[in-house]
Amino acid sequence: DVKVTQSSRYLVKRTGEKVFLECVQDMDHENMFWYRQDPGLGLRLIYFSYDVKMKEKGDIPEGYSVSREKKERFSLILESASTNQTSMYLCASSFLTGLAAYEQYFGPGTRLTVT
Amino acid sequence: AQTVTQSQPEMSVQEAETVTLSCTYDTSESDYYLFWYKQPPSRQMILVIRQEAYKQQNATENRFSVNFQKAAKSFSLKISDSQLGDAAMYFCVVNDMRFGAGTRLTVKP
Repeated sequence: DVKVTQSSRYLVKRTGEKVFLECVQDMDHENMFWYRQDPGLGLRLIYFSYDVKMKEKGDIPEGYSVSREKKERFSLILESASTNQTSMYLCASSFLTGLAAYEQYFGPGTRLTVT
Repeated sequence: AQTVTQSQPEMSVQEAETVTLSCTYDTSESDYYLFWYKQPPSRQMILVIRQEAYKQQNATENRFSVNFQKAAKSFSLKISDSQLGDAAMYFCVVNDMRFGAGTRLTVKP
């Protein structure tokens, strides 16, 4: 079974703190994704990566950065957390293909609260 | 840009009945992929069904089937013989990364 794990299920941070969210997958997937999920908005893509050290901005990258030093690990960084970044964060991974799009496998999510 | 619209924020169905969740999308691509994902309460998101746009035949997975109308850019999900375990948020997705806002499905016993 594919497993995608996230470092925390719940996290509470203060405004201005630097926050690290970690994601690890064990299926040797090339693609990894970070989304945030908000009620009524669905999932919005923050960043994705198709290879080690490669990253692409998604729809809402402002206030976030990412790091992918190893194939299995993709980190989301909030440089200076703000209250509007309170949300559910979901990590996902999938195989890299040419024109095709394959199933994404999701982690359990991290519910981040910034106070 | 691609947009995905799920016009039903909430739906309800009686156990053993059939329900259809709607999805429309906009894309300028001629070939693309469509997905329905399910997110049960407090559980991980999983794939329900996948459709390749160049295939005219509608995808089917057991009790789940789609009605794909390429010209109308419509991709609805039909759940037959609904079960209590089908209660979840359902997301329509275009090409891996473009999600709709979701439809919350309640199944009544």
